[in-house]
Amino acid sequence: DGGITQSPKYLFRKEGQNVTLSCEQNLNHDAMYWYRQDPGQGLRLIYYSQIVNDFQKGDIAEGYSVSREKKESFPLTVTSAQKNPTAFYLCASSDLLQGGSETQYFGPGTRLLVL
Amino acid sequence: AQSVTQLGSHVSVSEGALVLLRCNYSSSVPPYLFWYVQYPNQGLQLLLKYTSAATLVKGINGFEAEFKKSETSFHLTKPSAHMSDAAEYFCAVKKAAGNKLTFGGGTRVLVKP
Repeated sequence: DGGITQSPKYLFRKEGQNVTLSCEQNLNHDAMYWYRQDPGQGLRLIYYSQIVNDFQKGDIAEGYSVSREKKESFPLTVTSAQKNPTAFYLCASSDLLQGGSETQYFGPGTRLLVL
Repeated sequence: AQSVTQLGSHVSVSEGALVLLRCNYSSSVPPYLFWYVQYPNQGLQLLLKYTSAATLVKGINGFEAEFKKSETSFHLTKPSAHMSDAAEYFCAVKKAAGNKLTFGGGTRVLVKP
């Protein structure tokens, strides 16, 4: 089955710790995205990547880092500099279409909690 | 910057009644518009999208939405609510240039038996 997988489903972070969230897709999509979801605020873009070894900051990149070494993988690291990391994190992927009408498809999410 | 406003963070409907979820956007040019649904602790699933073809867009699960340029709106409707429609719904807008999706704050739908 084609789709997007995220792991783990739940993740606990201690103070001062970096944690990495995994995102893998087998849809052969060029672009991948990370969003943060907080109650009542919709989704906010953290980082996105259109091609391997290249990525751009979104609206709330501070305290996060990403890599894109393979087309199918786009891990997100939540660093100790992110002072309020408790949220639901969603990974998405899409084709890149001329005209910009592509649809983003979402994974099942990872809930990050601070101990 | 683009913005998306969803009127009403919570909506309660009776089973069998009309579902109407409102979405207004700010954009100087007609964008691409999307409605997604999210069930508890799950990712977002695409319901439908507008890409400048027909202004009335039909989606999955009996939902449809109408693009009204003069009102900068893209309201989502379903004629008859089902218990399985209880979820959170997000409207999103995208410009032709760039990858960024801008989301509204979401509307949580409660369906009463």
